[in-house]
Amino acid sequence: IVMTQSPATLSVSPGERATLSCRASQGVSSNLAWYQQKPGQAPRLLIYGASTRDTGVPARFSGRGSGTEFTLTISSLQSEDFAVYYCQQYNNWPPEFTFGGGTKVEIK
Amino acid sequence: EVQLVESGGGLVQPGGSLRLSCAASEFTFTAYWMTWVRQAPGKGLEWVANIKQDGSEKYYVDSVKGRFSISRDNANNSLYLQMNSLRAEDTAVYYCARAVGRIAFFDYWGQGALVSVSS
Repeated sequence: IVMTQSPATLSVSPGERATLSCRASQGVSSNLAWYQQKPGQAPRLLIYGASTRDTGVPARFSGRGSGTEFTLTISSLQSEDFAVYYCQQYNNWPPEFTFGGGTKVEIK
Repeated sequence: EVQLVESGGGLVQPGGSLRLSCAASEFTFTAYWMTWVRQAPGKGLEWVANIKQDGSEKYYVDSVKGRFSISRDNANNSLYLQMNSLRAEDTAVYYCARAVGRIAFFDYWGQGALVSVSS
């Protein structure tokens, strides 16, 4: 399953809304996770099950979608949100866990 | 708090071998599938391998099958990745991560270990 994220780079001003897209080459139901990665750090789980926030993740992060089309929305960007975001599908067995290529959210 | 600490990275020549270790703490290690994910310099994330709680099932991405071997030592809360016949394209930061469920996402990650394959 190929995961395609768009756009590759998103330039947003602090306080604005950001919407990131992730498309699967075949249906993955709601078996979709989102991660945030800052430079020099490990990825951090934000969302699983397409829409469930992990413990401690701020409410400004929300996920939607099922099947092949998914979105991650950051309602009001804070300085700490500028990072690269990856989606990952976990629908197949035997496992073939695949990540999207990432969307970099940068300061406009 | 859950901790995962990788070690064993370094520079190795093409065709060489390296063994990564991941020390886990502050959670019941035997209750979880565990995984390795890698990230080539400036690139995205790639799942490499995962292993069942008791070590009886192991799965690999096609590009490492026959060269890499994942294992675990439940008595010592440790995860390993034995990497043989290394290639330049294996150069990456390797992350150890805890898997949630059999068909999994990954909720805790280590800080990563850099493996550089170069002559």
